[in-house]
Amino acid sequence: QVQLQESGPGLVKPSGTLSLTCAVSGASITTINWWSWVRQPPGRGLEWIGEIYYSGSANYNPSLKSRVTISVDKSKNLFSLILTSVTAADTAVYYCAKETLDGGMPRFDYWGQGSLVTVSS
Amino acid sequence: DIQMTQSPSSLSASVGDRVTLTCRASQTIDTYLNWYQQKPGKAPNLLIYAASSLQSGVPSRFSGSGSGTDFTLTISSLQPEDFATYYCQQTHVTPRTFGGGTKVEIK
Repeated sequence: QVQLQESGPGLVKPSGTLSLTCAVSGASITTINWWSWVRQPPGRGLEWIGEIYYSGSANYNPSLKSRVTISVDKSKNLFSLILTSVTAADTAVYYCAKETLDGGMPRFDYWGQGSLVTVSS
Repeated sequence: DIQMTQSPSSLSASVGDRVTLTCRASQTIDTYLNWYQQKPGKAPNLLIYAASSLQSGVPSRFSGSGSGTDFTLTISSLQPEDFATYYCQQTHVTPRTFGGGTKVEIK
């Protein structure tokens, strides 16, 4: 059974850097999947942040691209999110997710439980 | 970016009702359309992928249809555990985008 687990600080100061890690178990991060980050502000909808392939190739949401870096650590079977210059608008539950490419139709079939990150002084 | 618009934003229904949710894309996405269910405090759960394929383990009362720009999710007979928020998502291009959600509430 594939499992994803987010970890990282729950509180970040304004103008600081948000850093989260997603540990993957039950599947190798080097399989043919993209590994994504999605966030959800309290009481609001879902926003895709970006994705990475095990080769290191990444795609980002243009709305966040200047502040986001997603990286992968194949030796530890995990991937990470860094978001810089955060403001209160970045307060959200952050999810990591596996995007399967089976049959050529991408979909997010496994999700982490989510990690609430609050931006506040 | 491709904008995804869901309607209605919320609806009230009774157990046993047939419910239809709509999702419209701002440009054609073929059948690169997925549906997710989300309950409070939980991660989204994949229900339908490629517009009409039922994800493994999902009850057959859920079905999806559509192609191009217009899509629907139908729940044939609403069950108590189906009261949740439903999101559509396009994966035709990046950035992946989600609809604003439809909250299904108990009448």
